[in-house]
Amino acid sequence: DSGVTQTPKHLITATGQRVTLRCSPRSGDLSVYWYQQSLDQGLQFLIQYYNGEERAKGNILERFSAQQFPDLHSELNLSSLELGDSALYFCASSSSSGRGSEETQYFGPGTRLLVL
Amino acid sequence: EDQVTQSPEALRLQEGESSSLNCSYTVSGLRGLFWYRQDPGKGPEFLFTLYSAGEEKEKERLKATLTKKESFLHITAPKPEDSATYLCAVDLPSSASKIIFGSGTRLSIRP
Repeated sequence: DSGVTQTPKHLITATGQRVTLRCSPRSGDLSVYWYQQSLDQGLQFLIQYYNGEERAKGNILERFSAQQFPDLHSELNLSSLELGDSALYFCASSSSSGRGSEETQYFGPGTRLLVL
Repeated sequence: EDQVTQSPEALRLQEGESSSLNCSYTVSGLRGLFWYRQDPGKGPEFLFTLYSAGEEKEKERLKATLTKKESFLHITAPKPEDSATYLCAVDLPSSASKIIFGSGTRLSIRP
């Protein structure tokens, strides 16, 4: 158990809908990262937040957005869902800011999203 | 274009048969290279971070090394419980740091 929690574990929805994925980092970790893992594209970095502020952005679509709240939990919002958005979405946390300091990321168990 | 390539895609070994996994990268700078282990249906589990060419790190039967163009994950006398997908990732020193993962090596150890 990494100490990172994600809810829900599974999510089934229809195209065009909007969903929210939730992540609680390990106690004391200030950074939260979101990743998407699909069979054809592998694991892709989406976005990082550090202490409530966006720190880095990867291959995140404009239909997707995220935020980190004062209690450090984070939410990933996916809207106008398409079939191709079906994937495993992972959240990871670390204690570092990702700016030149040693960084160990602890991954949560993931949310499996199926868009029908 | 920044790219990370892992080889082989899949590797089947007999228990006790040592081998190496490769992660080669062509990137415009490297802040760090990470190795992860991922079991089916689970999140990746951190193994190592390497920062500079010549650096080596070890953990049980695993040893990671880094050169200017590639990293190796050496597995010595593997056991069936080492079966998993091994992922490498690079952290790039752009103004907004970007992390790129390789597609992974599926390792299977037969008893």
